[in-house]
Amino acid sequence: EDQVTQSPEALRLQEGESSSLNCSYTVSGLRGLFWYRQDPGKGPEFLFTLYSAGEEKEKERLKATLTKKESFLHITAPKPEDSATYLCALIQGAQKLVFGQGTRLTINP
Amino acid sequence: GAGVSQSPSNKVTEKGKDVELRCDPISGHTALYWYRQSLGQGLEFLIYFQGNSAPDKSGLPSDRFSAERTGGSVSTLTIQRTQQEDSAVYLCASSVVGGSGGDYGYTFGSGTRLTVV
Repeated sequence: EDQVTQSPEALRLQEGESSSLNCSYTVSGLRGLFWYRQDPGKGPEFLFTLYSAGEEKEKERLKATLTKKESFLHITAPKPEDSATYLCALIQGAQKLVFGQGTRLTINP
Repeated sequence: GAGVSQSPSNKVTEKGKDVELRCDPISGHTALYWYRQSLGQGLEFLIYFQGNSAPDKSGLPSDRFSAERTGGSVSTLTIQRTQQEDSAVYLCASSVVGGSGGDYGYTFGSGTRLTVV
């Protein structure tokens, strides 16, 4: 069964303190791994799609990487506005995304 | 509009009543999705519409749930005889490409928070 597990559940960092969020997955044939950001009271906001092991994508202070078993979301020198819940997801079938539980990130000024 | 619009933003209903949730996708987006987010749960797929194709209803939890999409645009999710376990945030998303959204991903609305009392 396709599964997505995110860790840690919650993470508190000081402004400027870099770290990484983990997304472990099991799937029979990876066809895409997705990262979304969700702010309180809002729907998720798309960040990245990764398709194959070794792929990396960057956006501002965020960089997503992918191996055959995990994906990491690296946050470099974060700012308070980076505080949010970060979600990863797999595609299952043709159009169903299976989401992890998310990592709630708090950046203290 | 510029984004996906959902209404109402909040809905409180009595157990046993029917509710209708509305979604206005981004103009030109052919793919439309409904997901549910319950407290402590991840996002759960409900239904997918793509153009004129038959919808993928495989995620609907019971026959009390139904959805339609009129004119390839606005969608309505209907829950009949609501139960307390239906309380959740119902999220609608649209995409310019179908399936997973590819490199464009989904654009989600802010959701409808449904509370069944």
